Amino acid sequence: GAVVSQHPSWVICKSGTSVKIECRSLDFQATTMFWYRQFPKQSLMLMATSNEGSKATYEQGVEKDKFLINHASLTLSTLTVTSAHPEDSSFYICSAPGRFDNEQFFGPGTRLTVL
Amino acid sequence: AQSVTQPDIHITVSEGASLELRCNYSYGATPYLFWYVQSPGQGLQLLLKYFSGDTLVQGIKGFEAEFKRSQSSFNLRKPSVHWSDAAEYFCAVGAATGGSYIPTFGRGTSLIVHP
Repeated sequence: GAVVSQHPSWVICKSGTSVKIECRSLDFQATTMFWYRQFPKQSLMLMATSNEGSKATYEQGVEKDKFLINHASLTLSTLTVTSAHPEDSSFYICSAPGRFDNEQFFGPGTRLTVL
Repeated sequence: AQSVTQPDIHITVSEGASLELRCNYSYGATPYLFWYVQSPGQGLQLLLKYFSGDTLVQGIKGFEAEFKRSQSSFNLRKPSVHWSDAAEYFCAVGAATGGSYIPTFGRGTSLIVHP
């Protein structure tokens, strides 16, 4: 099946710094990618839809200026957590749809810890 | 809006015993239904999916699920659980949106397997 990678797999940063997370589709192209956030022992919450060549679509309650999304190419989307604070600590997961609209391929996730 | 309920936060079974994880959904039309498994610190792996046709769906790792429209349920089953099945299990309902679908996840059920 299709593979989606994320980098880094984990990151620790100081409060106030910015962190960039990459999501790549390794063997297929994705004009759309999705970013999720998962708190410990909780479900995945959709944050935003990343669109290649246009602006991302954010879910209600997600700060656009806080979570910057750039879909630079057909295989890469990045999520930048700006001026990170401890409450931003979470597990961030991306996904990309496959060739058929009933497939979603998930990345392994990125664990962000903000000190 | 679609929603998913997984009533059990934790399920504990003995190795070799049978398993059933409950999932109820709310959706106005015929849903796309999914079960995913997440091992600690990992992304999501698709176990099985239902779109139409036979209401009993076979998946990977010996799992199956049955779609029951009258009960709005899509319970996951396995006849004999292995220790390696210990993980977090998520039920999801998806609606096709512009060529792809965006899943809505339940809160997850944590499966604990005793030797």
